[in-house]
Amino acid sequence: GNSVTQMEGPVTLSEEAFLTINCTYTATGYPSLFWYVQYPGEGLQLLLKATKADDKGSNKGFEATYRKETTSFHLEKGSVQVSDSAVYFCALSDAGGTSYGKLTFGQGTILTVHP
Amino acid sequence: DGGITQSPKYLFRKEGQNVTLSCEQNLNHDAMYWYRQDPGQGLRLIYYSQIVNDFQKGDIAEGYSVSREKKESFPLTVTSAQKNPTAFYLCASRLGEGIGPGELFFGEGSRLTVL
Repeated sequence: GNSVTQMEGPVTLSEEAFLTINCTYTATGYPSLFWYVQYPGEGLQLLLKATKADDKGSNKGFEATYRKETTSFHLEKGSVQVSDSAVYFCALSDAGGTSYGKLTFGQGTILTVHP
Repeated sequence: DGGITQSPKYLFRKEGQNVTLSCEQNLNHDAMYWYRQDPGQGLRLIYYSQIVNDFQKGDIAEGYSVSREKKESFPLTVTSAQKNPTAFYLCASRLGEGIGPGELFFGEGSRLTVL
């Protein structure tokens, strides 16, 4: 079956530091890949996505590149802000819809950014 | 604005009582989902529905029930058979099977506490 593995947290950084959150996956075929962000007490928001190999998703200064050869989709940001403090989830969606669109989520990584 | 509305945001229940969480979407999405989130854990799928009057069990359906009588609505009932119902519940939707890359759109969540 499909699976997503994220680096364990929590991750604590100072403002303006560089961020990397690792995500690797196991899936058959060619899944779509996503990063979601969850702020305290809220639902999940789609941060970025990539639908095929070598695609780069980007939003709000965050980037992730779909690497099929390493089955990875690492999240990066060059300079984090206090407002980036949240939980980040990596997820994949089966291509072709054989599992009726169920997303498989990683366990989430808590990011805390200090001033 | 289109979106997903969950209510109530906070709910307290006595042991042995059933409770129903509401989820309404005006995105004209075909598919809807219910996830459960526990502290420090990822998301676990409870039930999902691809079309009106049809739904399937997810990974942790025991002690829960759903209905899908209208495209816009997908209420979740947490029954007294659910042994550990205290959790954060998230409703989500997506366009439909085989349409788009498969991202989910989430509501703000409902926090259920059993006293």
